[in-house]
Amino acid sequence: AQSVTQLGSHVSVSEGALVLLRCNYSSSVPPYLFWYVQYPNQGLQLLLKYTSAATLVKGINGFEAEFKKSETSFHLTKPSAHMSDAAEYFCAVSDLPGANSKLTFGKGITLSVRP
Amino acid sequence: DTGVSQDPRHKITKRGQNVTFRCDPISEHNRLYWYRQTLGQGPEFLTYFQNEAQLEKSRLLSDRFSAERPKGSFSTLEIQRTEQGDSAMYLCASSSGPTNLNEQFFGPGTRLTVL
Repeated sequence: AQSVTQLGSHVSVSEGALVLLRCNYSSSVPPYLFWYVQYPNQGLQLLLKYTSAATLVKGINGFEAEFKKSETSFHLTKPSAHMSDAAEYFCAVSDLPGANSKLTFGKGITLSVRP
Repeated sequence: DTGVSQDPRHKITKRGQNVTFRCDPISEHNRLYWYRQTLGQGPEFLTYFQNEAQLEKSRLLSDRFSAERPKGSFSTLEIQRTEQGDSAMYLCASSSGPTNLNEQFFGPGTRLTVL
């Protein structure tokens, strides 16, 4: 079975500081990996996805993530945090297309940005 | 509007009552998913439709839960004899299948409170 572990439930950074949100996965097949962001009272929005092409994936709003098979990790980074980045972030894993492609999510990390 | 819509956005009900939620996917999407998200957790898969066929149900979906997608368009999720443990955010997502490499677009969710 596939699973995702997001270490820590809350990360706080200063505006302009580096953002690093950790995600480790477990999968018996080559995984498809995703990062979603959820703002209060809104649905989930896709930030970026890894689908076995380039290991460094660039997403929206200046976020990027690097797939490291040896570490089974897919950590999300942003060089400089902005106040508008405050939200909840979810890492998710999916199986290959052709199956039902359901997503298995981690518990999420709440990102706070201090002025 | 080309996004996924859900109705109602909020529902408060008394224990034992039946509730029904509606999801309208992006019009050309043939896949539709329901997830449940409780406080402090990531979304958990409930069920999946490809067109009008319900192809998978999670064991989280007890006999009190039923979902339909008549004509492969909108979907409904009904909960009978609601319990306090059913209180959660119910999220709907749609995708156009494997050609887009599993990208799911989420609606804003229906928040259910069972008193």
